[in-house]
Amino acid sequence: GAVVSQHPSRVICKSGTSVKIECRSLDFQATTMFWYRQFPKQSLMLMATSNEGSKATYEQGVEKDKFLINHASLTLSTLTVTSAHPEDSSFYICSARVGRVGNQPQHFGDGTRLSIL
Amino acid sequence: RKEVEQDPGPFNVPEGATVAFNCTYSNSASQSFFWYRQDCRKEPKLLMSVYSSGNEDGRFTAQLNRASQYISLLIRDSKLSDSATYLCVVSMPHGSGNTGKLIFGQGTTLQVKP
Repeated sequence: GAVVSQHPSRVICKSGTSVKIECRSLDFQATTMFWYRQFPKQSLMLMATSNEGSKATYEQGVEKDKFLINHASLTLSTLTVTSAHPEDSSFYICSARVGRVGNQPQHFGDGTRLSIL
Repeated sequence: RKEVEQDPGPFNVPEGATVAFNCTYSNSASQSFFWYRQDCRKEPKLLMSVYSSGNEDGRFTAQLNRASQYISLLIRDSKLSDSATYLCVVSMPHGSGNTGKLIFGQGTTLQVKP
């Protein structure tokens, strides 16, 4: 089946640090990847939709200058949390969809647990 | 009102029990429907897609009622390994700049006990 790899799985760093998270589709090409955030005991919230070769589409309330997304190839999207603060601590998960059709299921990476001290 | 609503539970059931989860969604234009499973501190994993005709995968049966905007998941003969959070997920319509993004319910927690 479709495999999505996310790296790193765990990050602990000081406030003010910028953190880059990578999301790779290993055995398929992903025109579109999605970035989610999940706080404890809450549902996944979509942050942005990453489109290969074009600008990401951010959800309302998500700062695009804070969460930089780059989708430079059909197998890699990156999310950079710039100048991270403790309130950015969360579980960040990427997903990728096989094909261009919107009704295909998404496959998720392992997630990155980010802790800002 | 939340776009996708689920009873958070927890549902505590003995092994072998049959358990049913329900979910409602607010956008009648929603296009696709899924159940995902999420284990503690892990990523969601697709359990099954949900179709209007209903579909079954082993011990799992999913139903969709578009008129009522209602989705269900039935688990028969529960196993200890079924303990997890079950996420009801709805795909928004594709088009008008929308790439068919997913909306997640809060999840229903299932604990299967020996």
